[in-house]
Amino acid sequence: DADVTQTPRNRITKTGKRIMLECSQTKGHDRMYWYRQDPGLGLRLIYYSFDVKDINKGEISDGYSVSRQAQAKFSLSLESAIPNQTALYFCATSDLSGGAENEQFFGPGTRLTVL
Amino acid sequence: AQKITQTQPGMFVQEKEAVTLDCTYDTSDQSYGLFWYKQPSSGEMIFLIYQGSYDEQNATEGRYSLNFQKARKSANLVISASQLGDSAMYFCAMTPFGNEKLTFGTGTRLTIIP
Repeated sequence: DADVTQTPRNRITKTGKRIMLECSQTKGHDRMYWYRQDPGLGLRLIYYSFDVKDINKGEISDGYSVSRQAQAKFSLSLESAIPNQTALYFCATSDLSGGAENEQFFGPGTRLTVL
Repeated sequence: AQKITQTQPGMFVQEKEAVTLDCTYDTSDQSYGLFWYKQPSSGEMIFLIYQGSYDEQNATEGRYSLNFQKARKSANLVISASQLGDSAMYFCAMTPFGNEKLTFGTGTRLTIIP
């Protein structure tokens, strides 16, 4: 079984709809992240959480919100989806042991299309 | 703030040849880490190699090595004896120590030619 899972894997929705992307991990990591990937722009950080009570905005948080329901679960919501939120979304986790050598483990991605 | 620059949008390399993917970075932090990730056409992000800013030796992981030149703020990925399965997007990324927010470059699409 995959250590980091994302649901759904693909989603097509309409402008104005509320969408939730879910991420679960079995790695026991404290730190979780949401990134979005657009063609030609690489990955950009949306939100991150270093533990259940800690939520932080990333580079591009406008239009998004998150919820850390448990150590293993981190959800990303689009309250009112718009077409320029069409992208590939990744969840990632890392271990709370300090230092930058902590590799981030990525989920398989969710491809979201907003019409 | 950190910035990663990957100047090669695409590269074509003959199978079995070595390939170097360029990465330069900009940061005011003294301590940081550098990463390379591979993204095949299936979309997943695969960690390849890590280099810490205080590591004196270049990192190596199998066929992957990182040519780290700190004074030049360069962290190039070298793949030896390329294989068809190496065809993918490759991303360079960095994070300051104590802050695990990765900043990614725009990537290089590598195509291995048989």
